[in-house]
Amino acid sequence: KAGVTQTPRYLIKTRGQQVTLSCSPISGHRSVSWYQQTPGQGLQFLFEYFSETQRNKGNFPGRFSGRQFSNSRSEMNVSTLELGDSALYLCASSSTGGTNEQYFGPGTRLTVT
Amino acid sequence: AQKITQTQPGMFVQEKEAVTLDCTYDTSDPSYGLFWYKQPSSGEMIFLIYQGSYDQQNATEGRYSLNFQKARKSANLVISASQLGDSAMYFCAMRRLGVGNEKLTFGTGTRLTIIP
Repeated sequence: KAGVTQTPRYLIKTRGQQVTLSCSPISGHRSVSWYQQTPGQGLQFLFEYFSETQRNKGNFPGRFSGRQFSNSRSEMNVSTLELGDSALYLCASSSTGGTNEQYFGPGTRLTVT
Repeated sequence: AQKITQTQPGMFVQEKEAVTLDCTYDTSDPSYGLFWYKQPSSGEMIFLIYQGSYDQQNATEGRYSLNFQKARKSANLVISASQLGDSAMYFCAMRRLGVGNEKLTFGTGTRLTIIP
């Protein structure tokens, strides 16, 4: 069974640009969550999608948005990039069907210059 | 609100020794889950072990075991017979159980270094 995949793995953008990151969950998993990891703030929850609907949202500005498609793949978008958006962005998938385990992808490392 | 505290920023352990990574938590939720993840330098978060708040037995997965003391609100990870490949960051996390509660709250992590 394939794990969680994220693309791209590395990204360099300039301040003011926008970026889209992609996450494909484990087959059969319908919940996808996104996290931002920085040295200063640690791991912070961005949002969670289930059946194409945002079900939970963390405390991030509106520049951070996401969506989920009918095949459970999810994308997150960051508009008007700031230097502080440089981080490792991780997505996690879970089945929500009895097991409580959540599995993470390899992450996308975003650098904003 | 939930809170995870990991008080050991870094640990150095001799290869083949057992190691205990500390984790304490705070929550008012009656039903919750506790997780441990390993993050090597590559960045991927690797799921290690899970313990539910109502589980009677401590969870074990191969060389990993979770020492769950509910009254003390602690969920320490024990790694037996450490290996060089165990060198990584380790994160303790928790979330409320139930439909729609997928958000994980993480601790600040412990950097474990195994010495040959």
